[in-house]
Amino acid sequence: DTGVSQDPRHKITKRGQNVTFRCDPISEHNRLYWYRQTLGQGPEFLTYFQNEAQLEKSRLLSDRFSAERPKGSFSTLEIQRTEQGDSAMYLCASSSRRLSSGANVLTFGAGSRLTVL
Amino acid sequence: AQKVTQAQTEISVVEKEDVTLDCVYETRDTTYYLFWYKQPPSGELVFLIRRNSFDEQNEISGRYSWNFQKSTSSFNFTITASQVVDSAVYFCALSEEGQAGTALIFGKGTTLSVSS
Repeated sequence: DTGVSQDPRHKITKRGQNVTFRCDPISEHNRLYWYRQTLGQGPEFLTYFQNEAQLEKSRLLSDRFSAERPKGSFSTLEIQRTEQGDSAMYLCASSSRRLSSGANVLTFGAGSRLTVL
Repeated sequence: AQKVTQAQTEISVVEKEDVTLDCVYETRDTTYYLFWYKQPPSGELVFLIRRNSFDEQNEISGRYSWNFQKSTSSFNFTITASQVVDSAVYFCALSEEGQAGTALIFGKGTTLSVSS
């Protein structure tokens, strides 16, 4: 397994357009996270899946954002009617509670950078 | 509420200098976990260390060492004999046991620049 994969790596879009990002986690990991990182800031938690169930959503996740993990494997994050404030790096991470004791160690992907013009 | 503070925004050192990155955290839980991640210019966050709240032993891994002090709510990271390849943004993070998913709360990061 080569780690967490994210696609596309870069996306430039016009304000008002919809965008979708895909994340393929490490295959044996049952937990998947989405984070957002803006310039000069640390990653901020957006949402979390355990298998196919979305168990937690941050207040940062407005109703224009939707995430899915239909079969408990890959996940998509869609942003509808993008705004310039959505410009950020969107990071996906995965982990397995079964493979580690205590808190998960998250393995991050390289991120998908979104620029909204 | 959980909070992680990395007061140093940027640090510049010359190769072979030792450098300490500070991290102060806030939590009401007695069981929690602290992490350090490295983000090199390529952008991918790389896990460095995880420490639970019951283990205050300092840890050393090669040129890296970590000092965990519950009394001051700090989890500082020292790089000994820094190298140019250590240039990156370093993030301290906290998670609390019992939170669904134990999502990480990150500090704002410290940018370390090591020059030759």
